[in-house]
Amino acid sequence: GESVGLHLPTLSVQEGDNSIINCAYSNSASDYFIWYKQESGKGPQFIIDIRSNMDKRQGQRVTVLLNKTVKHLSLQIAATQPGDSAVYFCAERGRGGSNYKLTFGKGTLLTVNP
Amino acid sequence: EAGVAQSPRYKIIEKRQSVAFWCNPISGHATLYWYQQILGQGPKLLIQFQNNGVVDDSQLPKDRFSAERLKGVDSTLKIQPAKLEDSAVYLCASSLGEKNTEAFFGQGTRLTVV
Repeated sequence: GESVGLHLPTLSVQEGDNSIINCAYSNSASDYFIWYKQESGKGPQFIIDIRSNMDKRQGQRVTVLLNKTVKHLSLQIAATQPGDSAVYFCAERGRGGSNYKLTFGKGTLLTVNP
Repeated sequence: EAGVAQSPRYKIIEKRQSVAFWCNPISGHATLYWYQQILGQGPKLLIQFQNNGVVDDSQLPKDRFSAERLKGVDSTLKIQPAKLEDSAVYLCASSLGEKNTEAFFGQGTRLTVV
């Protein structure tokens, strides 16, 4: 069946270091992959997405890499800051019949140490 | 721009009682989602509306959960009767359309069933 999961449930980094959060997916038919950030007590917040026909996309301090050969997605955060501490979810947009829906993975907790 | 509004923020009920959650999406957003997020897991889609029509409710436990979006704007999610395993955060999200990967989430309603 369809599933989106993460290799590492927790990641601890020092402030200023780069962070890499990984995600494995199994539905090769998904056309978009998305990263969301969820801070404690809040709903998930969109960070960046990547279309399935791309292998890299950059945003402000973030880069998403997509490797369709091994069905792997990663989020790189440059110069990680304490405000980046949160749970990060990868999600995929797939089609169920004629409709699109977002399916989320389990999440990785990122802790940034000052 | 106002975000997605949800109420209440917290609810504690006894098992077998009923509960209802309310969501007001961002103005103009046609797609509305209800997600269930159990502690330590990613959000799981319960139901997706496109305007006032249901486009996906495949993971909604229909024997006890119901949702409506009668006028295509705000929505209610009801649980009757509640079980202990329904304890979770219920997140409402909206997007301009189902093809949009950027869904905007509310803060959620934390439900505790005792």
